[in-house]
Amino acid sequence: EPEVTQTPSHQVTQMGQEVILRCVPISNHLYFYWYRQILGQKVEFLVSFYNNEISEKSEIFDDQFSVERPDGSNFTLKIRSTKLEDSAMYFCATNRQFADTQYFGPGTRLTVL
Amino acid sequence: AQSVTQPDIHITVSEGASLELRCNYSYGATPYLFWYVQSPGQGLQLLLKYFSGDTLVQGIKGFEAEFKRSQSSFNLRKPSVHWSDAAEYFCAVVGAGGTSYGKLTFGQGTILTVHP
Repeated sequence: EPEVTQTPSHQVTQMGQEVILRCVPISNHLYFYWYRQILGQKVEFLVSFYNNEISEKSEIFDDQFSVERPDGSNFTLKIRSTKLEDSAMYFCATNRQFADTQYFGPGTRLTVL
Repeated sequence: AQSVTQPDIHITVSEGASLELRCNYSYGATPYLFWYVQSPGQGLQLLLKYFSGDTLVQGIKGFEAEFKRSQSSFNLRKPSVHWSDAAEYFCAVVGAGGTSYGKLTFGQGTILTVHP
């Protein structure tokens, strides 16, 4: 069964550094999402991406965040200058049609020191 | 704006007992509703979903959920819990139109502990 994959599984970085989180969507999926889950809290929406542009973003997704699909396969989330409060599990999700079931990757745990 | 409330943060049941996890949603139009399960250190796995039609939906691992529009609820049930069901359960809603663009809004989650 096709799966969403994410790399790395765990990323440790210093405050102020840039990080790039990578996701490989299921091959025929067209809608892509990033969510995050701070330890002990609920899963929060960050951004949705369709047709090579952002469809919607939350208030969390400020100018420090960006997304792109550089090569038609990987879907990346970049945080330009990490803060301590960016420490969280970041999940990529994809689906084939709008509002259809979203399939989640295993997540990347980001630790900012 | 859409929202989801899971009133129970933590539920403990004995193995073999029945289970009901509560979920209430708020959305102005027809919602699409989901239950996901997350085991420790793992991603989110879909248990079941409701889009339309029969309000009682069956999912994987013996779970079912009932959509009640009048109560804005989508409670998850299982007649007999197994130790392997211990995990965190999330209810989520997607707006079927308007300006939601398909984002999932999650509840706070319910942690299920199963005693032998």
